[in-house]
Amino acid sequence: DTEVTQTPKHLVMGMTNKKSLKCEQHMGHRAMYWYKQKAKKPPELMFVYSYEKLSINESVPSRFSPECPNSSLLNLHLHALQPEDSALYLCAAGLKENTEAFFGQGTRLTVV
Amino acid sequence: ILNVEQSPQSLHVQEGDSTNFTCSFPSSNFYALHWYRWETAKSPEALFVMTLNGDEKKKGRISATLNTKEGYSYLYIKGSQPEDSATYLCAFNQAGTALIFGKGTTLSVSS
Repeated sequence: DTEVTQTPKHLVMGMTNKKSLKCEQHMGHRAMYWYKQKAKKPPELMFVYSYEKLSINESVPSRFSPECPNSSLLNLHLHALQPEDSALYLCAAGLKENTEAFFGQGTRLTVV
Repeated sequence: ILNVEQSPQSLHVQEGDSTNFTCSFPSSNFYALHWYRWETAKSPEALFVMTLNGDEKKKGRISATLNTKEGYSYLYIKGSQPEDSATYLCAFNQAGTALIFGKGTTLSVSS
C-alpha cells in the first residue's frame, strides 16, 4: 500500500480537453514531485515543490501547469496536450528535497 | 547533464541463483544514492538510501554497496525467488537537487 494516492489511475483525453491529475499525501512530507515516465525509459523529473513553493521546473511546456494548494495536495493541470504526452505520470513525496521519495501508483494518461 | 547508468538492462535467472546489478553515477558533489524496486502496476518502493562511501545496506536477501569515489553502486540478490521479479531503479542526487533516475534493470526469475 502506498501512502501517496494519485487519481485518476487512468485518463484518456482529447487534445482540446482540460483535465487535472491529483496527488495526495498525509505523511507530513514537505517535498512533492511530478515525474513523467514513458515506456522503457526512466522516470523524468518535471516539477518539485518544497514547502508548497515551486522550486524546480525542468523546462516543462506550459501545457502542464502544476499547483500545490496545501502541504498534502499536488495537482497537475493539463491543457492542449499532444499525443506524445501520453505516459505514466508519477507523483512522489519526500521529507525534504533530497531524501528518499515515496511514490504513488501513477496516472496512466493517453492523449488522443 | 547528470546521467545515471544501470546495467544490465534486463536479466533472466533461475530460482535460487544469486545475481547483481550495477548503477553508475557522477562522483562529483555526491549526496545520496537510492535503490527502488518497481513491480508492474505498483508504485516504486524505496529499498535503500546510501550516503557514505563504503556504505553497505541489507534487507533480507537483498543488499547494496556504495563507492562514491568511483561513482558506482551494486545491488545483490541472494537466492533469487520469483517474487523478486521487478524493475530495480537506481537514483542519484547531489545536494539540493531532486532524484535523477537510471533506466532500471528488469529482473525475471523463473521457478
